[in-house]
Amino acid sequence: GQNIDQPTEMTATEGAIVQINCTYQTSGFNGLFWYQQHAGEAPTFLSYNVLDGLEEKGRFSSFLSRSKGYSYLLLKELQMKDSASYLCAVRGTSGGSYIPTFGRGTSLIVHP
Amino acid sequence: ETGVTQSPTHLIKTRGQQVTLRCSSQSGHNTVSWYQQALGQGPQFIFQYYREEENGRGNFPPRFSGLQFPNYSSELNVNALELDDSALYLCATGGQSQETQYFGPGTRLLVL
Repeated sequence: GQNIDQPTEMTATEGAIVQINCTYQTSGFNGLFWYQQHAGEAPTFLSYNVLDGLEEKGRFSSFLSRSKGYSYLLLKELQMKDSASYLCAVRGTSGGSYIPTFGRGTSLIVHP
Repeated sequence: ETGVTQSPTHLIKTRGQQVTLRCSSQSGHNTVSWYQQALGQGPQFIFQYYREEENGRGNFPPRFSGLQFPNYSSELNVNALELDDSALYLCATGGQSQETQYFGPGTRLLVL
C-alpha cells in the first residue's frame, strides 16, 4: 500500500519563506506531485519530481529524496494569496497499474 | 483555466439512487482520472481511463464505474448511492506521460 504524511496546518508571515514537508511509503515509486488547492476550488498543479534533487519554478521549489521517502515544497516571498491547502501526491504501483495517492493536505495560513 | 469542464456543478440525490457525472477536456488529453474528495481530505483515486480502457483502479467498490469516449470525454457512474458518497468528485486529464494533470472544477454531490 501507499502512505503519505504531511502536517495538517502551518502558519507563516507575508514575505517569509515556508517549507512544507511530505514523507511517503510506496511500492514502485513513479513520481511525486505537489498541488495547490484554494477553498472550494479544484487542485492546480505545482510541481512534479521523479528524480532526486531540487526543482525550482519561480517562487516555488520542490525537493525529492527517494531513498528517504521525503519531499518538501518551499514557498518564498509569501503572499496572502498563497493561503491554501497544499497536497502532496505520490504515484506508485498497485495491481500492475500506476496509482496516485494523495495526502490529506497542509493548510497554509499566511498572515500580514 | 485548465480547459477541463465538469457537469453538473452540484447535485442532490437520495440513498439508493444512481448518478452520472461528466467530464470533458478541450485539449484532447487521452488520459482521464476520477477522484473523490471528502471535506478536509485529499482526493482519493477512483480509477483512470486511457484510450477508452480502464488502466488503474483505487479501492472503490464495483458500483463505481466509468466510461471514456472516443473524443476523450468521460463519465463516472455511481449506483446504489450511500450517504458516505457525499463528496466533491473531481476529474483530471493529462497526456500519456501523466507528468501533469489538469483538474476540472468538480461536481459536488450530496446524498440524503
